[in-house]
Amino acid sequence: GDSVTQMEGPVTLSEEACLTINCTYTATGYPSLFWYVQYPGEGLQLLLKATKADDKGSNKGFEATYRKETTSFHLEKGSVQVSDSAVYFCALKNFGNEKLTFGTGTRLTIIP
Amino acid sequence: GAVVSQHPSWVICKSGTSVKIECRSLDFQATTMFWYRQFPKQSLMLMATSNEGSKATYEQGVEKDKFLINHASLTLSTLTVTSAHPEDSSFYICSAYQDGYTFGSGTRLTVV
Repeated sequence: GDSVTQMEGPVTLSEEACLTINCTYTATGYPSLFWYVQYPGEGLQLLLKATKADDKGSNKGFEATYRKETTSFHLEKGSVQVSDSAVYFCALKNFGNEKLTFGTGTRLTIIP
Repeated sequence: GAVVSQHPSWVICKSGTSVKIECRSLDFQATTMFWYRQFPKQSLMLMATSNEGSKATYEQGVEKDKFLINHASLTLSTLTVTSAHPEDSSFYICSAYQDGYTFGSGTRLTVV
């Protein structure tokens, strides 16, 4: 079945540091890939997505590129801020299936 | 953009009582809604998929008699935790699907 493997946290970085959160997936066919963010006490918000190989999703300074050859969708940001502190989830949706398959989430804490 | 309202945001109930959580899509119709449970170490577990006008499809290991799901209209799905016990204490999140997933803000359930 489909699965998402996500870098385990927690991750703690200083403000303005570079961020990479690794995400790899296993799926049949050509899934769509997502990154969701969850701020404390809230539900999930879509951060970015990519629907086909080599697509790059981007939002709020975050980027992720759909790499079919390595089955990866790593989340990156060049300079993190304290306000980026949250839990980040990588997810996939396969064609013909409405379910989202989530990774385990990575808690990110940015210290001033 | 699409908004999903989840209510209540938190609830404390006595052991043995039942609790109902509502999930409403405010500005769109959602034929499919999803219910998740989030465990302390942040992982999200899909509990069930709810389709308007039909019985919910529960994931393996989820007790359908304990977690009653009703999707009576295209804008409302409810999750009722029946005869709640302390081990049911958790963060429950709903999601509605229409050209993408929109998540509610979650409900923190504490059973005492």
